[in-house]
Amino acid sequence: DVKVTQSSRYLVKRTGEKVFLECVQDMDHENMFWYRQDPGLGLRLIYFSYDVKMKEKGDIPEGYSVSREKKERFSLILESASTNQTSMYLCASRPSGESWNEQFFGPGTRLTVL
Amino acid sequence: AQSVTQPDIHITVSEGASLELRCNYSYGATPYLFWYVQSPGQGLQLLLKYFSGDTLVQGIKGFEAEFKRSQSSFNLRKPSVHWSDAAEYFCAVGAGGGADGLTFGKGTHLIIQP
Repeated sequence: DVKVTQSSRYLVKRTGEKVFLECVQDMDHENMFWYRQDPGLGLRLIYFSYDVKMKEKGDIPEGYSVSREKKERFSLILESASTNQTSMYLCASRPSGESWNEQFFGPGTRLTVL
Repeated sequence: AQSVTQPDIHITVSEGASLELRCNYSYGATPYLFWYVQSPGQGLQLLLKYFSGDTLVQGIKGFEAEFKRSQSSFNLRKPSVHWSDAAEYFCAVGAGGGADGLTFGKGTHLIIQP
């Protein structure tokens, strides 16, 4: 069974803290993605990666960075958390090849920044 | 750049009634189109996808969608809804090639009345 796991379901951090959100997939997928989900806004792409140590900015990369040192792991980093980064964060992975391949999503991490 | 519009934020349907969720997209070439469902507290699950071929696509859980190029639409339908269909539904479009992420609509919240 395919699986994308995220390190935490709920996380509470303080303004200015450095925050790491971890995502691991066990499907040997080349492509991995980070989205944030906000009510009334749907999902918006933050960053994606198509290979180890490769990354590309999505639609809303400001305030975030990413790291992909191993194929199965893709980390989202909030260098200095702010209250407007309170959100649900979803990780996804997809094999390379045709873009119509399904993206597999993790359960999400609900981050609250106080 | 591609975009997706889901004009209905909330839809209420009686159990056993038929359902149609609307999705309009904007994209210059042949789009890759997806419908995902998110049940409360869960990650996103793919219902169905379209890239080419037959414009009527069958998915899981009894859902289907029809691609209409002339109307730039990809509406989701189900002939008879069940209480377990209550969820958030997202339409998404992907561009061709590479590791690109998906562009999501803002979602439609489906409420099932007994």
